[in-house]
Amino acid sequence: GESVGLHLPTLSVQEGDNSIINCAYSNSASDYFIWYKQESGKGPQFIIDIRSNMDKRQGQRVTVLLNKTVKHLSLQIAATQPGDSAVYFCAENINGQNFVFGPGTRLSVLP
Amino acid sequence: NAGVMQNPRHLVRRRGQEARLRCSPMKGHSHVYWYRQLPEEGLKFMVYLQKENIIDESGMPKERFSAEFPKEGPSILRIQQVVRGDSAAYFCASSQTDRGRTSYGYTFGSGTRLTVV
Repeated sequence: GESVGLHLPTLSVQEGDNSIINCAYSNSASDYFIWYKQESGKGPQFIIDIRSNMDKRQGQRVTVLLNKTVKHLSLQIAATQPGDSAVYFCAENINGQNFVFGPGTRLSVLP
Repeated sequence: NAGVMQNPRHLVRRRGQEARLRCSPMKGHSHVYWYRQLPEEGLKFMVYLQKENIIDESGMPKERFSAEFPKEGPSILRIQQVVRGDSAAYFCASSQTDRGRTSYGYTFGSGTRLTVV
């Protein structure tokens, strides 16, 4: 059996369904956000970004939603595919400071 | 167009030895960042460097850890007298602009997995 990470929340979705991954960020002054995808044994890869003057941004099969009122960020993946299986991190940035990464969510796509 | 290159990919050290991790940023990137990742956890910022300068080392442990980014050559993260708790994946990232705010954030390397035995 697979060893499940004790710290990482896991989202399991059926192939073809839509996925929603959530992130609560920590600082109300953060004004730039990025979602990263990290596949096993690799470094994080940029997926999509959004600035605080926007509520929504769309990419190819991905949408990021930003709710500044409750400091919440979400990543929606349409028609989830096996290749989407990875750990997803949100990262927040305050002008002049370094990116701070969230704890991550593991997305597992079921056949 | 090579991305961020890190070596070695895997490094095994005995307790008390030194570990040297290397990072060559993407071509055209002059800002380098080091992050540490424990298994099943997020990335923790360690240090931010530009050529020949340490800009922010607020995430670096005060002892045993040091980083440099010389005028010529890769950035080096050095861990002296390693202990088991240093076992982790160390990721280097680079960006074109200061903290990546106008250049799609950071481009990450594949990491160096340090195991201390």
